Amino acid sequence: EVQLVESGGGLVQPGRSLRLSCAASGFTFDDYAMHWVRQAPGRGLEWVSGINWNSGSIHYADSVKGRFTISRDNAKNSLYLQMTSLRPEDTALYYCAKDTGYSILGYFDYWGQGTLITVSS
Amino acid sequence: QSALTQPASVSGSPGQSITISCTGTSGDVGAYNYVSWYQQHPGKAPKLMIYDVNKRPSGVSNRFSGSKSGNTASLTISGLQAEDEADYYCSSYTSSITVVFGGGTNLTVL
Repeated sequence: EVQLVESGGGLVQPGRSLRLSCAASGFTFDDYAMHWVRQAPGRGLEWVSGINWNSGSIHYADSVKGRFTISRDNAKNSLYLQMTSLRPEDTALYYCAKDTGYSILGYFDYWGQGTLITVSS
Repeated sequence: QSALTQPASVSGSPGQSITISCTGTSGDVGAYNYVSWYQQHPGKAPKLMIYDVNKRPSGVSNRFSGSKSGNTASLTISGLQAEDEADYYCSSYTSSITVVFGGGTNLTVL
């Protein structure tokens, strides 16, 4: 059974940093691209970042470019999101999502339950 | 990276069919067949319903179908059931090797 479990969320002050993790199991992690998708309270889905199977292709939404860094450790079956210079508008539930292929296609066939980030002073 | 345009809400009676549109640009929906649709019930993670414009993942009812014409993709749900009441999001790969979602459509089954 595919499982994606996010961790690292919480309350953080504006301008501070936070690192999210996603532990994957139930599939061959290094065969698939992975993504972070967020959803602000009461709002729609927003793609944040994606990384292909070997970290050779990494892309970001304009809203987080230069502030967030996605990475993966295939040996640990884990995906990460390093977030810096956090803003109140980054407040959201952050989902880890699996793509359907090794490259970034943007098909999210499995999702975690999300980890909530609240940016507030 | 402007969001794809979806109607905010649609409604239909049980047994009827509804269609949700998703309008993008020549740089996303119009350029690729990498269009997908997601269903999200309150408090739950989204679920992939359609990919490659019109393909259904294993386990998704054949009442759900997708299509595309130019810069607009569509999701049709036939034989509406109460359990279909949810938010629906379209998504597309873009020429910038990014992904863009629609703003979401709330489906009410009357």
